[in-house]
Amino acid sequence: AQSVTQPDIHITVSEGASLELRCNYSYGATPYLFWYVQSPGQGLQLLLKYFSGDTLVQGIKGFEAEFKRSQSSFNLRKPSVHWSDAAEYFCAVGQTSYDKVIFGPGTSLSVIP
Amino acid sequence: EAGVVQSPRYKIIEKKQPVAFWCNPISGHNTLYWYLQNLGQGPELLIRYENEEAVDDSQLPKDRFSAERLKGVDSTLKIQPAELGDSAVYLCASSTGLGFEQYFGPGTRLTVT
Repeated sequence: AQSVTQPDIHITVSEGASLELRCNYSYGATPYLFWYVQSPGQGLQLLLKYFSGDTLVQGIKGFEAEFKRSQSSFNLRKPSVHWSDAAEYFCAVGQTSYDKVIFGPGTSLSVIP
Repeated sequence: EAGVVQSPRYKIIEKKQPVAFWCNPISGHNTLYWYLQNLGQGPELLIRYENEEAVDDSQLPKDRFSAERLKGVDSTLKIQPAELGDSAVYLCASSTGLGFEQYFGPGTRLTVT
């Protein structure tokens, strides 16, 4: 069965610092991988996705993620965090494209000035 | 383009009372999803519609939960009777079809006292 773990429940970074959010998945075949962001009181917004091809994918808002099959990981990175990035971030894995998506428990990001 | 609309945004009820949530998907989106998001967790799929047909309701607790999507547009999710454990955020999402990106609404936060 598919599963997604996000080892960090909560992360605090200073504005302007770099960010890396960890995601590990369990899935037998080549997974479809996603990162979503959820700001307070809002729905989830897709940041980026990996379906195939280049293992380094670029997303919106300056985010990128790297798929590492050997480590079953899909970590999210941003070189310089802005205060508006404070939100909940969810990693997700899908069996078939956007369908049958399993979400991780989320990582809450706080940004201090 | 208007996004996914959900109402109400917040609802407080006493246990054993009924409650209903409404979702209006993005115009032209044939696929509609209802998710349950418990505090500190990622969303979990409850039911998925293709037009007016529920094609995946395996995770919907049918003893107390019901859903409908009349005319293949708006959808209503109902709980009767509500239990304390139903306190959560109920998210609606829509897409142009199976395998395409899902767009999420802001959710309805339910508190059962």
